[in-house]
Amino acid sequence: VELVQSEGGVVRPGGSLRLSCAASGFTFDECTMHWVRQTPGKGLEWVSLISWDGESTYYAESVKGRFTISRDNSKNSLYLQMNSLRGEDTALYYCAKGGQSGPGSHLYMDVWGQGTTVTVSS
Amino acid sequence: EIVMTQSPATLSVSPGEGATLSCRASQSVNKNLAWYQQKPGQAPRLLISGASSRATGIPARFSGSGSGTEFTLTISSLQSEDFAVYYCQQYNDWPPVTFGQGTRVEI
Repeated sequence: VELVQSEGGVVRPGGSLRLSCAASGFTFDECTMHWVRQTPGKGLEWVSLISWDGESTYYAESVKGRFTISRDNSKNSLYLQMNSLRGEDTALYYCAKGGQSGPGSHLYMDVWGQGTTVTVSS
Repeated sequence: EIVMTQSPATLSVSPGEGATLSCRASQSVNKNLAWYQQKPGQAPRLLISGASSRATGIPARFSGSGSGTEFTLTISSLQSEDFAVYYCQQYNDWPPVTFGQGTRVEI
């Protein structure tokens, strides 16, 4: 069971970046997926969630309207399109798999990617 | 948004001793609480879900308890590999799911 994330990068404020996460070793199209970010100052912050079929998506208020989560189940891949980036979006971003152990389990993360660094700076 | 508060921020423990970490929610989260371990340079790893159920492969020295607003992660007889940062996360009231700020367990 593995999640392998694409490389991040340095982006200017107002710019865009797309993160990818490739899943293997589990039935991807049965799982809720998440993006979580981490900064030294704010710790772990949940960013977004997408349902197994991509029909339902949810976002943290801090990124709503700027970030878009999506998935391609035919490619076992998860994405995060980040637009209008700000300095406060600078973080280590993780993709993570939701649990599958009963009601509500999809809301915690039982497998995590290796993380990718996004730096927003001029 | 539910605020999760962990204490202490840092816990100094000798190998072989036990450790008790606390997590408090600003309102009831029932038993919808998870614990994660994070070592330097690594992603978080799920330890506990449902407040007390160990994840696959997690040693029995890790145990979770609590419900409502007060939760505890207990590590009995710390091993060298247990020195890390531990986070709690509530998933009862969402979005958003929210994390505590972490407790660092150090030698």
